Amino acid sequence: GQNIDQPTEMTATEGAIVQINCTYQTSGFNGLFWYQQHAGEAPTFLSYNVLDGLEEKGRFSSFLSRSKGYSYLLLKELQMKDSASYLCAVMDSNYQLIWGAGTKLIIKP
Amino acid sequence: GAVVSQHPSWVICKSGTSVKIECRSLDFQATTMFWYRQFPKQSLMLMATSNEGSKATYEQGVEKDKFLINHASLTLSTLTVTSAHPEDSSFYICSAREVDSGGEIEQFFGPGTRLTVL
Repeated sequence: GQNIDQPTEMTATEGAIVQINCTYQTSGFNGLFWYQQHAGEAPTFLSYNVLDGLEEKGRFSSFLSRSKGYSYLLLKELQMKDSASYLCAVMDSNYQLIWGAGTKLIIKP
Repeated sequence: GAVVSQHPSWVICKSGTSVKIECRSLDFQATTMFWYRQFPKQSLMLMATSNEGSKATYEQGVEKDKFLINHASLTLSTLTVTSAHPEDSSFYICSAREVDSGGEIEQFFGPGTRLTVL
């Protein structure tokens, strides 16, 4: 079967760094997405990786290893507004999005 | 976790025809459902928010007469793309929101429907 695994919840301190991992097993691969979603709001796009390596975008970076079926989202200089759920999603060979359950990130002062 | 299904998963149609996409929450009641579209390598774009038994709320720039949304029950919402044209070719994703007994809101996403208009 197809599945995406990510931790249910993580806690970090304001100003620190946090890494949210995502492992996947899918039939084919056409890219991996990370989304941020604040409670009660629509998800917002953070990153898209289709090739191996690290992509940096401001305070957020996303890494992909296709051979390991693994990705992580790295958040630096954490701010209180970063408290949200972070969704990992993989597009499979049929261009279907396989979604992870999301990681709820709690930022403490 | 809760499951949201979409049907069909992909569809190819001729220009000028209408296409209906169904979104179902399989094991929970969804008072609110969302419809998104996504172009390749781009972010999800919210099209409309649909509440059961009432009219959908469309985002700015989305034509409500072209994208008809019906949310007739707590487990089913449909999106009909009327008089489809090639520029409507996209990936359409629905999402369903659940409010649990503790009042906590969770939102689940369907697998998406790929529409290609020839």
